[in-house]
Amino acid sequence: AQTVTQSQPEMSVQEAETVTLSCTYDTSESDYYLFWYKQPPSRQMILVIRQEAYKQQNATENRFSVNFQKAAKSFSLKISDSQLGDAAMYFCAYRSLIYNQGGKLIFGQGTELSVKP
Amino acid sequence: NAGVTQTPKFQVLKTGQSMTLQCAQDMNHEYMSWYRQDPGMGLRLIHYSVGAGITDQGEVPNGYNVSRSTTEDFPLRLLSAAPSQTSVYFCASRETGRTNEKLFFGSGTQLSVL
Repeated sequence: AQTVTQSQPEMSVQEAETVTLSCTYDTSESDYYLFWYKQPPSRQMILVIRQEAYKQQNATENRFSVNFQKAAKSFSLKISDSQLGDAAMYFCAYRSLIYNQGGKLIFGQGTELSVKP
Repeated sequence: NAGVTQTPKFQVLKTGQSMTLQCAQDMNHEYMSWYRQDPGMGLRLIHYSVGAGITDQGEVPNGYNVSRSTTEDFPLRLLSAAPSQTSVYFCASRETGRTNEKLFFGSGTQLSVL
């Protein structure tokens, strides 16, 4: 069974600086999706960025980028020029592409990011 | 466009009571699912459906029932609530198919079982 691990329960960053959130996963599959979701205090789940495993190029979305290391099964999120609005819980998630897995997302435990002004 | 709508937003139950969490989406998505979120454990899949009349179990299905009579609605039923079911519940939907990866989440239901 696949697992996702976020080993940093809490992180803190100064406004305008860069922070990296770590995520590792375990799978025997070769094709899958990886995601980072943001959950602010409003509780809404917001998709930040996604990575297809067969793509070697790291995904980027404005100030958010990932470092995808497939062999190491690592998927870290880098937030550049941190803003106060980035403060939230961040979840890493894995999705199998095998049909009988039901398309479920397997989530990590989450990392609570605080941004200091 | 309302997206995914969950009701109620908050609910308090006594042990043994039953209730239904409602979920509706107006995007004509075939795939719908229910997750629960517990502190320190991320979100875990309870049940999912790939279309009307088709449902299947996720990781933590015990104590919950689902049905899918229409494309739009996917209610989650708690048959006999237990304190272990105190959690935040999310409904989510997306289009089927490999290229349709974005999962749309509802705003969640905070459930407390006393």
